[in-house]
Amino acid sequence: KQEVTQIPAALSVPEGENLVLNCSFTDSAIYNLQWFRQDPGKGLTSLLLIQSSQREQTSGRLNASLDKSSGRSTLYIAASQPGDSATYLCAVPTPYNQGGKLIFGQGTELSVKP
Amino acid sequence: DTGVSQDPRHKITKRGQNVTFRCDPISEHNRLYWYRQTLGQGPEFLTYFQNEAQLEKSRLLSDRFSAERPKGSFSTLEIQRTEQGDSAMYLCASSVPGGDTQYFGPGTRLTVL
Repeated sequence: KQEVTQIPAALSVPEGENLVLNCSFTDSAIYNLQWFRQDPGKGLTSLLLIQSSQREQTSGRLNASLDKSSGRSTLYIAASQPGDSATYLCAVPTPYNQGGKLIFGQGTELSVKP
Repeated sequence: DTGVSQDPRHKITKRGQNVTFRCDPISEHNRLYWYRQTLGQGPEFLTYFQNEAQLEKSRLLSDRFSAERPKGSFSTLEIQRTEQGDSAMYLCASSVPGGDTQYFGPGTRLTVL
């Protein structure tokens, strides 16, 4: 059974810091891994999707890496801003299943202080 | 592209009442998913449709829950005889045929008193 874990559960940093969020999964037979952002009381916004054949994806100040063999992904946020404050979730589809349900970690709640 | 929409955004009900939520996916997205999210947790899968066919249901979806997608467009999720434990955010997502990315709606926040 695939399990997804995110560490830390919460993180508070001063504005301008670079930071890393961690995601681990137990079954490496995944097609891809996706990072989402969720603002309080809102739905999820897709940030980055990494295919299993890729090692990293970049979008602006965000960089996500994927190491399937070790069951790990990281989301790197450069030069953090107060507007980055949100909960960040990683998710993988069930093993050997493309386009099916997603299994989520519990999220990392990020607070960037001005 | 208007995105995934959900209605209502908030619902407060008394224990024992029935509630129904609606989800309108992005047009031409043939897959539609329902998830439930409780405070401080990641979303948990409930069920998903490909066109009008319900392909998978989670064991979380008890007999009190039913989902439909009669014409392969919008979907409804009904909860009968609500319980306080049903209080959660109910999220809907959709994806294109064969697509990897799921696009989420704003969610329906259910509070059962």
